[in-house]
Amino acid sequence: ETGVTQTPRHLVMGMTNKKSLKCEQHLGHNAMYWYKQSAKKPLELMFVYSLEERVENNSVPSRFSPECPNSSHLFLHLHTLQPEDSALYLCASSQDRPEWGTSYEQYFGPGTRLTVT
Amino acid sequence: GQSLEQPSEVTAVEGAIVQINCTYQTSGFYGLSWYQQHDGGAPTFLSYNALDGLEETGRFSSFLSRSDSYGYLLLQELQMKDSASYFCAVNGQNFVFGPGTRLSVLP
Repeated sequence: ETGVTQTPRHLVMGMTNKKSLKCEQHLGHNAMYWYKQSAKKPLELMFVYSLEERVENNSVPSRFSPECPNSSHLFLHLHTLQPEDSALYLCASSQDRPEWGTSYEQYFGPGTRLTVT
Repeated sequence: GQSLEQPSEVTAVEGAIVQINCTYQTSGFYGLSWYQQHDGGAPTFLSYNALDGLEETGRFSSFLSRSDSYGYLLLQELQMKDSASYFCAVNGQNFVFGPGTRLSVLP
C-alpha cells in the first residue's frame, strides 16, 4: 500500500468510550501531523511529530492523546469525548517540518469521520 | 498570532479564469502553499511559493508578494472537476491553513 492510510474511516462513539485512530505512512517521511476539520472551520493543527518526538501540541484538550511509536505510525487515543469533538480527523506526513527554501508538501490520509453521541 | 483570510465562496463557468486570494499574518514565514480538497476527499497539494512572483503548473498558477503578505491561486480553463475547496497554507514553523474557498464551476 502507498501513501497515507487511516483507520477506521468512520467511527461512532459514546462520550464514555475509549477508542483509537490509526495512521500509517509508507513514504519514508520524518514528520507526521494530526488535524481536525470541522464544518465551516479551517483545518486545525492538533499535534506534530518529528522523528517520533512530539514538537507541537496546539492547546488540545487532554481527552486527545497522541502516540508515535515509530516514524511510520501515528495514533490518536480518544477518551471521554464531547459532542463538539465530532469532526473529520486527518493525518498527514511530510518529508520534514517546514524550513526555508524547501517546499515540503504534506500528504494527507483520507481521514476518519468521528461522531460522538 | 497567525491568521489567514480567503473568500468563502467563488462561482465561475466552465472555460473561465478565476483567482482566489489569500492574505496572511504570521511569524516565521517560509512560503505559501495551496491545497485542493474535493467533497469527501483529502487535501492534495497544488503549488508552493517561497519567493515573490508567479509559479505556473499547467492550468494552475500561484503568486506571492511577501511584502504585501498576499498570494493568489489562478485557475484557467476551468473544468467541472475543479469544483472543490481550495486552501492556502503558510509554511512557517509549522503549517497553518486558511479557512478555504469553495469554488463552484457551472456548465
